[in-house]
Amino acid sequence: EPEVTQTPSHQVTQMGQEVILRCVPISNHLYFYWYRQILGQKVEFLVSFYNNEISEKSEIFDDQFSVERPDGSNFTLKIRSTKLEDSAMYFCASSAGQGEHEKLFFGSGTQLSVL
Amino acid sequence: KQEVTQIPAALSVPEGENLVLNCSFTDSAIYNLQWFRQDPGKGLTSLLLIQSSQREQTSGRLNASLDKSSGRSTLYIAASQPGDSATYLCAFRGANSGGYQKVTFGTGTKLQVIP
Repeated sequence: EPEVTQTPSHQVTQMGQEVILRCVPISNHLYFYWYRQILGQKVEFLVSFYNNEISEKSEIFDDQFSVERPDGSNFTLKIRSTKLEDSAMYFCASSAGQGEHEKLFFGSGTQLSVL
Repeated sequence: KQEVTQIPAALSVPEGENLVLNCSFTDSAIYNLQWFRQDPGKGLTSLLLIQSSQREQTSGRLNASLDKSSGRSTLYIAASQPGDSATYLCAFRGANSGGYQKVTFGTGTKLQVIP
C-alpha cells in the first residue's frame, strides 16, 4: 500500500541552526501538508501546499518556516533558525483531492529536538 | 475559534467489549470529519472519513457516525482486541476553521484493551 515517507525519523539540532525535514508524499496525491505535535499536546496544522504554492497556513507558520517541492517527489519543511519551542514531532501528510479523496495520509513523523 | 473535544481522555476496557469514543465540535458548517489512530511515537493511521452529506461509515469492526445538528461524531469499535490499544483522534474540517485545508484535531482518547 502506498505510504508517505519522512526522513530523518529523529533530528537533533542546536538552537539557531537551520533544519530541513523531508517527505515523500504518495505519488498521485496533489495536496501536501505539514503538521506538528508538541509532546502531550494536540496535532496542529502548519501549512498546506497545492499546485506548487502555499494554499493555507496557520499562525504558527511564520517567516522562520518555509516549504518547497524541489522536484516531482519530495516535499520539504525548512526552519531557518530553530528555537527551543520548535521541538516537536513533525508530520507530513498528503491527500489525493477533494470530497471522497480528501482523506489525509500521514507519514510516521520526524522527531525534532532543539537543544 | 473551532474547538474539537474528545471524551473520555482515557478509557480502559476488557477484551471483547464494544465501545464508543466521542468527538464534539463547535462549528456546524462541517465539510468532513476523519478518525485516526496513533500508536506511541508513531504517525497517524487513517481509519474512516465521513463527509458532511453522510451519516456513517463502516470499516470492519469500526463504525463512525456523524450528527451535524448536535455537533458530534462517534467511533464505535466492536469486539475490542488488545491490538486496538492506541490513541484515537478525530480531525475536523469546516467552513469556520480558518481555511478549507486547515484540519483541526481533537485532544484524543487513549484506549487500552486489557487481555
